[in-house]
Amino acid sequence: DAKTTQPPSMDCAEGRAANLPCNHSTISGNEYVYWYRQIHSQGPQYIIHGLKNNETNEMASLIITEDRKSSTLILPHATLRDTAVYYCIVSRKAAGNKLTFGGGTRVLVKP
Amino acid sequence: DTAVSQTPKYLVTQMGNDKSIKCEQNLGHDTMYWYKQDSKKFLKIMFSYNNKELIINETVPNRFSPKSPDKAHLNLHINSLELGDSAVYFCASSQGAGEWTEAFFGQGTRLTVV
Repeated sequence: DAKTTQPPSMDCAEGRAANLPCNHSTISGNEYVYWYRQIHSQGPQYIIHGLKNNETNEMASLIITEDRKSSTLILPHATLRDTAVYYCIVSRKAAGNKLTFGGGTRVLVKP
Repeated sequence: DTAVSQTPKYLVTQMGNDKSIKCEQNLGHDTMYWYKQDSKKFLKIMFSYNNKELIINETVPNRFSPKSPDKAHLNLHINSLELGDSAVYFCASSQGAGEWTEAFFGQGTRLTVV
């Protein structure tokens, strides 16, 4: 599975959009981009995933560049409850569902 | 109703002991996993079971033995506990080993070996 690179931390103001970048320059054609987050003392929580098209759900939007070498997770209106570690994961869909977590980005939403 | 539940939530034990962590999911999923999160917060997969059959074993010491009595349960038994086994262990489940769907994680079991 391709490796990902994320900034270790970022701050965001409550109510503003949070844009979380992820580089995955070695991604291959059959690999998807997944985002999970882990709120303190809880298990990871799925957010969204995509292959090449942009995706949106009730939690977030995922923007994947045309060359697929990077992506951005957008939390449209960050709340204090969005404070968490966000993980960008690249994996083949049919890989036994093995998720390889990196260091993630620690997002702190401030009032 | 908790989708993926683990027991116990906290476990403190002495080196050399044998302990088990239980996991149950009520989502009807056919694939379950154990992940380990170490002190540096890195999450690593340990095992994956699909329909009670082992499909992923990530070079985990054989002191760790998962047991899946049925599709809804995946327990983790650890023999001869060592200090380095101290970590948070997460159970997870998903539907389908071949076709990916989102994984649901439990709340974790914090194991402390003293």
